[in-house]
Amino acid sequence: TQLLEQSPQFLSIQEGENLTVYCNSSSVFSSLQWYRQEPGEGPVLLVTVVTGGEVKKLKRLTFQFGDARKDSSLHITAAQPGDTGLYLCAGEARDDKIIFGKGTRLHILP
Amino acid sequence: DAGVIQSPRHEVTEMGQEVTLRCKPISGHNSLFWYRQTMMRGLELLIYFNNNVPIDDSGMPEDRFSAKMPNASFSTLKIQPSEPRDSAVYFCASSLRINSPLHFGNGTRLTVT
Repeated sequence: TQLLEQSPQFLSIQEGENLTVYCNSSSVFSSLQWYRQEPGEGPVLLVTVVTGGEVKKLKRLTFQFGDARKDSSLHITAAQPGDTGLYLCAGEARDDKIIFGKGTRLHILP
Repeated sequence: DAGVIQSPRHEVTEMGQEVTLRCKPISGHNSLFWYRQTMMRGLELLIYFNNNVPIDDSGMPEDRFSAKMPNASFSTLKIQPSEPRDSAVYFCASSLRINSPLHFGNGTRLTVT
């Protein structure tokens, strides 16, 4: 069974600080997606990474896919209260299913 | 684009009752997924369809759970009989193809007492 482990589970930091959250697996994934989920809503796609070593930027968010396509990181620069939410990584498994990690719950204090 | 539409948003029912959750995927999307989310287990894939055909239902916890997709614009997830441990948020998602990014509905929060 392919699993995705996310760390940390919870993170609470002050506005303006930088942070990195991680998504790790012992398995190789064809692609990896990052979603953000806000209370009472479904997850919303932020980015998809496909190539090992790929780096994508979305304003203050930087996503990286590991060279071996087993792990990924999300770095947020100068966090804002609007960044608060549950960040989920999801991988395309061998059988084409999209499986999710349990997420990192991020809280940015104003 | 109206997005994925789920109903009801909230459902409170007593143990033993039948529960039916509904989903309308985005028009033109060929794949539909049912997920369940809890604090303990995160988002778990229950079943997914491609072109209205169930492809993998290995995530369906028990025979009490069943899902149908009678046409490209409608799917249901039924629990009969419901149990308190079924309490969770149930999400429906659709995508253009099996391995395309998912578009989620806002979920149905199910409480079984």
